[in-house]
Amino acid sequence: QQQVKQSPQSLIVQKGGISIINCAYENTAFDYFPWYQQFPGKGPALLIAIRPDVSEKKEGRFTISFNKSAKQFSLHIMDSQPGDSATYFCAARVTDSWGKLQFGAGTQVVVTP
Amino acid sequence: DTEVTQTPKHLVMGMTNKKSLKCEQHMGHRAMYWYKQKAKKPPELMFVYSYEKLSINESVPSRFSPECPNSSLLNLHLHALQPEDSALYLCASSQEGGRGQVGYGYTFGSGTRLTVV
Repeated sequence: QQQVKQSPQSLIVQKGGISIINCAYENTAFDYFPWYQQFPGKGPALLIAIRPDVSEKKEGRFTISFNKSAKQFSLHIMDSQPGDSATYFCAARVTDSWGKLQFGAGTQVVVTP
Repeated sequence: DTEVTQTPKHLVMGMTNKKSLKCEQHMGHRAMYWYKQKAKKPPELMFVYSYEKLSINESVPSRFSPECPNSSLLNLHLHALQPEDSALYLCASSQEGGRGQVGYGYTFGSGTRLTVV
């Protein structure tokens, strides 16, 4: 039972373009929504995160938009660079669960030169 | 030191072997986690330790046995594994204090690539 649905599965974007990844959740018992970037052979690295009382958070070229009523959140990568080519996972922290994270299925992003 | 260190990086073991994966963090985090990640899939939680006590076991088979000797170390003991257990095993830690406290600084190690033959 997938509680966090992520789309698209893969994405190709030109250098300088915008990458957009969307996630939707069903369970309302989530209280923290991080995004992770993972390169082959490496562990996931925290990219940016948001709490549900905030509608948008921006850090450098990365922006999270959060729509609590629609139970949706998205990652925008502005001015995409070849070094951004990686797999991106959205996640949701389950409330009262010692930090258990529920991950989306992942999006493989390829940025072409 | 803002790292979670996992050893070994690669491990090949037979189905009758006993081996251990090790994880260490020195960030003062009080929650530590084991995740399993199959190729092209997201990480799946296996165990959570909070203040050195097992808080969550996600119905993991007993051939995986976690241990938390102190607040900085987390081990995963492996015995009689199956080829389908081959995966990337990730350790993570966070500032999670316990139920009801939103954690920050959730940090993953680079993982141990396990192959069972």
